[in-house]
Amino acid sequence: DAKTTQPTSMDCAEGRAANLPCNHSTISGNEYVYWYRQIHSQGPQYIIHGLKNNETNEMASLIITEDRKSSTLILPHATLRDTAVYYCIVIPLGANSKLTFGKGITLSVRP
Amino acid sequence: GAGVSQSPSNKVTEKGKDVELRCDPISGHTALYWYRQRLGQGLEFLIYFQGNSAPDKSGLPSDRFSAERTGESVSTLTIQRTQQEDSAVYLCASSRVISGTPDTQYFGPGTRLTVL
Repeated sequence: DAKTTQPTSMDCAEGRAANLPCNHSTISGNEYVYWYRQIHSQGPQYIIHGLKNNETNEMASLIITEDRKSSTLILPHATLRDTAVYYCIVIPLGANSKLTFGKGITLSVRP
Repeated sequence: GAGVSQSPSNKVTEKGKDVELRCDPISGHTALYWYRQRLGQGLEFLIYFQGNSAPDKSGLPSDRFSAERTGESVSTLTIQRTQQEDSAVYLCASSRVISGTPDTQYFGPGTRLTVL
């Protein structure tokens, strides 16, 4: 599976957009970009995924570069409840997908 | 509820005792996964069930660990003769299977196991 790299941490002000970057320069054509997050002491929560087109849902937007080597998760109006560890992973289509998370990026939303 | 549920949410046990953890997947999800997450660590895959296929047990750390699933519903993870190193959060996830391919995994809240 392609490896991803993320900054260790970032913070943003409540109400502002949080833009979380992820590099996946070795991604293959059949691999999806997935984002999960884990709020302290809770199970991982699915956020969004995409293959090559930008995606948006009620939680976030996912912007994938044209060469698919990097992506950005956008939380348009961050709240204190968005403070969590965010994991960017790539998952090949057709695999039973035993998920492994790296260290992720710790997002701290400040009042 | 519509999500994956797990019980108990917390379990404290004494070393050497057996424990049983339960997972109720999202209705209609034929794929079910168990993971373990030690404090401050990433996910560790344990076992995967899909429909009537033989489960993928490749992640079970020892023969003290076993899991069952009845059809496409509830799964139980059993740990026999628990050890202190078994202390962790045990997470269950489920997903649909579309044309034979597992889709997005959705996680339950986990069971925090503490072995004294």
